[in-house]
Amino acid sequence: GAVVSQHPSRVICKSGTSVKIECRSLDFQATTMFWYRQFPKQSLMLMATSNEGSKATYEQGVEKDKFLINHASLTLSTLTVTSAHPEDSSFYICSAIGLAGGGDTQYFGPGTRLTVL
Amino acid sequence: GENVEQHPSTLSVQEGDSAVIKCTYSDSASNYFPWYKQELGKRPQLIIDIRSNVGEKKDQRIAVTLNKTAKHFSLHITETQPEDSAVYFCAASTTSGTYKYIFGTGTRLKVLA
Repeated sequence: GAVVSQHPSRVICKSGTSVKIECRSLDFQATTMFWYRQFPKQSLMLMATSNEGSKATYEQGVEKDKFLINHASLTLSTLTVTSAHPEDSSFYICSAIGLAGGGDTQYFGPGTRLTVL
Repeated sequence: GENVEQHPSTLSVQEGDSAVIKCTYSDSASNYFPWYKQELGKRPQLIIDIRSNVGEKKDQRIAVTLNKTAKHFSLHITETQPEDSAVYFCAASTTSGTYKYIFGTGTRLKVLA
């Protein structure tokens, strides 16, 4: 149980385009979803926290107009990287919390590797 | 702000030896401490966790200890195997509000056969 999927797994795009990444909890309802960014050989950096039906809470230094988050349902959150630039190239990972695992365990998606040319 | 320090950043051990990774957190309200194993290009996998009402927890070759007073917690892997080679992350979280994790900087463990 507690499976989180993420799509796409890899995406290559041109500078200036927008990219949407989906995060789904497959077998539980996610009360909260998190979006992380991980650069090579670095730790996971939290970008934002999203709760279903409400606005996402962004971490300091993360541009909310550039990284649009929509948590449309209890099983789906999307991250849209708008006007992507090469410096946005990174590994983006979502995680979800639900009633599974005691309510505070985060289950991670497999990640999306974004390459902006 | 909240911070989690993790040491060492790299660790090489011989197969069969033990490995210890240590973390220190700053937020005294933290009460949940998971450890994740991440292989290259893959998602972090939860390997063990501990809550603040417990001082030690063990699961086969893996154990975690917590010292709330000193705000330290450690991961212990015994009888290491080559497949234990990965990057390990500690995290600290408060279970009030949004369960936000603060991750440590990671430890790259190499188990030499």
